[in-house]
Amino acid sequence: KAGVTQTPRYLIKTRGQQVTLSCSPISGHRSVSWYQQTPGQGLQFLFEYFSETQRNKGNFPGRFSGRQFSNSRSEMNVSTLELGDSALYLCASSPAGTGYEQYFGPGTRLTVT
Amino acid sequence: DAKTTQPTSMDCAEGRAANLPCNHSTISGNEYVYWYRQIHSQGPQYIIHGLKNNETNEMASLIITEDRKSSTLILPHATLRDTAVYYCIVRAMTTDSWGKLQFGAGTQVVVTP
Repeated sequence: KAGVTQTPRYLIKTRGQQVTLSCSPISGHRSVSWYQQTPGQGLQFLFEYFSETQRNKGNFPGRFSGRQFSNSRSEMNVSTLELGDSALYLCASSPAGTGYEQYFGPGTRLTVT
Repeated sequence: DAKTTQPTSMDCAEGRAANLPCNHSTISGNEYVYWYRQIHSQGPQYIIHGLKNNETNEMASLIITEDRKSSTLILPHATLRDTAVYYCIVRAMTTDSWGKLQFGAGTQVVVTP
């Protein structure tokens, strides 16, 4: 079975721009979670989607949004980028409804200049 | 969610068992113990989870004390590839936490030849 894939792997954007990151979960997984990882804050939960519905959201500003499609693929969007948004963005999928046994993708490294 | 306490770092000799402790003294009856690890520059990897019984899979064993206030992850024969940050996470099976993992600082494990 193919693992979780994330595109693009690397991205450089300028302050004020917006960005869309994509995640394809493992086939059959319906829960997709997103995380931000920075050296200072570690791994932080952004949001989780299950069957196209956002079930949980972390403490991030409204500039961070996401969605899930009927095939369980997910996208996250960050608008009005700030330098502090530079991070590794990780997507994880889960086979179970509770979404705890998560399988992570390799991440998208976003650099904001 | 119950807080967890892990040592900041630990070393282990290649071929020996690595015993990683985690303290979760405020754990509730409906909270599970999950272990993940993150090898440098990769997404976290699910290892194992348990509620109160000891668990074993192809990667590791999880030993949970009878009072459930602490647990130990055991890597039976550590290899250099096991060098990673190991995270112990305690999660309740409630709807407001589905899909949401809260990572702490973890334990940096270094396996040496």
